Amino acid sequence: QQPVQSPQAVILREGEDAVINCSSSKALYSVHWYRQKHGEAPVFLMILLKGGEQKGHDKISASFNEKKQQSSLYLTASQLSYSGTYFCGTGNWGGQNFVFGPGTRLSVLP
Amino acid sequence: EAQVTQNPRYLITVTGKKLTVTCSQNMNHEYMSWYRQDPGLGLRQIYYSMNVEVTDKGDVPEGYKVSRKEKRNFPLILESPSPNQTSLYFCASSSTDSNQPQHFGDGTRLSIL
Repeated sequence: QQPVQSPQAVILREGEDAVINCSSSKALYSVHWYRQKHGEAPVFLMILLKGGEQKGHDKISASFNEKKQQSSLYLTASQLSYSGTYFCGTGNWGGQNFVFGPGTRLSVLP
Repeated sequence: EAQVTQNPRYLITVTGKKLTVTCSQNMNHEYMSWYRQDPGLGLRQIYYSMNVEVTDKGDVPEGYKVSRKEKRNFPLILESPSPNQTSLYFCASSSTDSNQPQHFGDGTRLSIL
């Protein structure tokens, strides 16, 4: 079953913050986050494996609440390069039954 | 350079004409998957493979076949393509380490007329 992402789309000015949420009706064992520019391959951002885990690099971070079956991606002081569609993905590892959310389109304006 | 290579990148063809999209990875990964991407639906898994000769259906396998005769290659076969298979297709590979991500190819845009 596909995870649910919110919001579907968000428009920011450069320097503003954003939060993208990912939730599932099934138990989450891990959450993967990717960013995709239009027509290009998804680019890996981070994987969270344990409930409560938080990760980050640069000004992008994420948290994983296993009990609530949700994860959130935080983009701080957004840059123009952050524009794209963000996908969360989850499933058993080995790739089997791996399911991506429908995506959140982020647009950062100057 | 570590990469996943898909061919062709673009293909326009007609209904019913068999086609194969090739996928090759040079990272010695055990796991490989095929996804299709359609507007508003995200990436949906077509088939995956956990190793040579081990393949299984994903969420949308109808109309597709795959094979995994060698570890590095995972071709996607459309025996009788139809217009509803017009889409952007991605191949991905990953290792058995759960800390590691899937590596995606550059995508193949298929148009079935």
